[in-house]
Amino acid sequence: AQRVTQPEKLLSVFKGAPVELKCNYSYSGSPELFWYVQYSRQRLQLLLRHISRESIKGFTADLNKGETSFHLKKPFAQEEDSAMYYCALRTSGSRLTFGEGTQLTVNP
Amino acid sequence: EAQVTQNPRYLITVTGKKLTVTCSQNMNHEYMSWYRQDPGLGLRQIYYSMNVEVTDKGDVPEGYKVSRKEKRNFPLILESPSPNQTSLYFCASSRWTSGSSYEQYFGPGTRLTVT
Repeated sequence: AQRVTQPEKLLSVFKGAPVELKCNYSYSGSPELFWYVQYSRQRLQLLLRHISRESIKGFTADLNKGETSFHLKKPFAQEEDSAMYYCALRTSGSRLTFGEGTQLTVNP
Repeated sequence: EAQVTQNPRYLITVTGKKLTVTCSQNMNHEYMSWYRQDPGLGLRQIYYSMNVEVTDKGDVPEGYKVSRKEKRNFPLILESPSPNQTSLYFCASSRWTSGSSYEQYFGPGTRLTVT
């Protein structure tokens, strides 16, 4: 069965510092991975997906099949990045498995 | 404006009283899903649908029913709600477009309390 693990429930960094949110997955097939963000009192939004290899709001994520990881990175964190971040794995159609989420706080 | 709407946004009910949470999207998306969000557990998929009359179970389908009679609507039905179904529920719709582009939108959430 597929599984997504985000080992850090809480992550706190200072403004301007690099940030990395960890995501590990287990899946026997070919994975498609996503990062979602949920700002306070807002609905969930798609941040990026590994297939598109894009950078959104300065965030990037690389799929490492050898380590079964899809960590989210940003070189210089901003206060507006404070939010809950979810990693998710798509296995078919709209079948999505989410991780438990990481609450990122960027301190001034 | 592209949007996913859910109603009601807040609901307090009693154990065993059937309820329906509606979800509607205006983007002609094929795929729709329901999730519940619980502290420490993240989002867990309840049911999903790949098109009209095509639905399948997610990770936590017990105690829930869905239907997809029209492309735009995907209601979530709790036939006999129990307190362990107290949660924040999200509906989502999505589609893959040409060139493997992907768009997905979530609804605003429905906070359900079952006493």
